[in-house]
Amino acid sequence: KQEVTQIPAALSVPEGENLVLNCSFTDSAIYNLQWFRQDPGKGLTSLLLIQSSQREQTSGRLNASLDKSSGRSTLYIAASQPGDSATYLCAVIRAAGNKLTFGGGTRVLVKP
Amino acid sequence: NAGVMQNPRHLVRRRGQEARLRCSPMKGHSHVYWYRQLPEEGLKFMVYLQKENIIDESGMPKERFSAEFPKEGPSILRIQQVVRGDSAAYFCASSPQAATNEKLFFGSGTQLSVL
Repeated sequence: KQEVTQIPAALSVPEGENLVLNCSFTDSAIYNLQWFRQDPGKGLTSLLLIQSSQREQTSGRLNASLDKSSGRSTLYIAASQPGDSATYLCAVIRAAGNKLTFGGGTRVLVKP
Repeated sequence: NAGVMQNPRHLVRRRGQEARLRCSPMKGHSHVYWYRQLPEEGLKFMVYLQKENIIDESGMPKERFSAEFPKEGPSILRIQQVVRGDSAAYFCASSPQAATNEKLFFGSGTQLSVL
């Protein structure tokens, strides 16, 4: 059974600092991994999708890496801004599956 | 192109009533997924549907819960005889192809409160 863990559960940083969010999964037979952002009372916004054959994806200030063999992904957010405050979720899809298994999320607060 | 639309945003029901949650996927998307987020818990998969077909309902409770995605109209998640434990945020997502190849686009969710 796939389990996805995100550490830390919460993170508070001053504006301008880089953010490092960790995600680990127990079953390396994944098809892809996605990072989402969730704002309070709202739905999820997909940030980055990494296929299992890829090592990383970048979009603006966001960079996500994937090490499938060790079951880890890291989301880097450079030069954090107060608008980056949200909960960040990682989720994996098993090979030949269609359901995402989510981690518990990391709640981020960027202080001005 | 409007995003995934869910309604209502908030739904209050008394124990024993029925709850109907609606989801209109993005235009051109024929794959719909329902997820539930219980208080203080992560998102859990419930059901995956394509037009007129249930593909995977392994995450949906066997009793009281049902889902459909008719040829015309939105996908409906139906909960009969609701209980307090059904209180949660229910999210719908859609994709143009199967989720293994595509990003999922999520709606804003329906917050169900059972009194």
